[in-house]
Amino acid sequence: DAKTTQPPSMDCAEGRAANLPCNHSTISGNEYVYWYRQIHSQGPQYIIHGLKNNETNEMASLIITEDRKSSTLILPHATLRDTAVYYCIVRLQYNFNKFYFGSGTKLNVKP
Amino acid sequence: EADIYQTPRYLVIGTGKKITLECSQTMGHDKMYWYQQDPGMELHLIHYSYGVNSTEKGDLSSESTVSRIRTEHFPLTLESARPSHTSQYLCASSDLFPQGGNTEAFFGQGTRLTVV
Repeated sequence: DAKTTQPPSMDCAEGRAANLPCNHSTISGNEYVYWYRQIHSQGPQYIIHGLKNNETNEMASLIITEDRKSSTLILPHATLRDTAVYYCIVRLQYNFNKFYFGSGTKLNVKP
Repeated sequence: EADIYQTPRYLVIGTGKKITLECSQTMGHDKMYWYQQDPGMELHLIHYSYGVNSTEKGDLSSESTVSRIRTEHFPLTLESARPSHTSQYLCASSDLFPQGGNTEAFFGQGTRLTVV
């Protein structure tokens, strides 16, 4: 699986959009981009995933660049409960092995 | 809400004791995983299973062992706990042959183990 690079931390004001970037320059054509988050002392929670088209669900939007070497997770209206570590993961959709979690981005949502 | 459960949530135990961390899921998933995570650090895969009677070691070497006798149950055992085993242990599951593209893994709440 390709490795990813994320900023270690970001701040966001409550109610504003949080844009979390991820670089995955070695991604291969059949690898997907997944996003998870981990709130303190809990297990990681799935957020969204995509291949090359932008994706949106009830939690977030995922914007993938045309060359697929980077992506951005957008939380449209961040709340204090969105404070967590966000992990960007690149993997084959049917990888029968593992999820590789890097160090992630600690998002601090402030009032 | 994911239907995957870990018990206990917290465990403090003395050195040399045998412990078993429980993980159960009610989603009928074939694949299950155990990860180890130190505070503020990355998750590291220590064990995984493709299904009943299948167990494989992950990337991080671990003295723990696992078993998969039933689809829904994937316990992790430490025969003789040591302070170096102090960590958070996370269990996860996913479909082996997912329907509708639902390929994400679901995680339990974790067990925070402290060996004194």
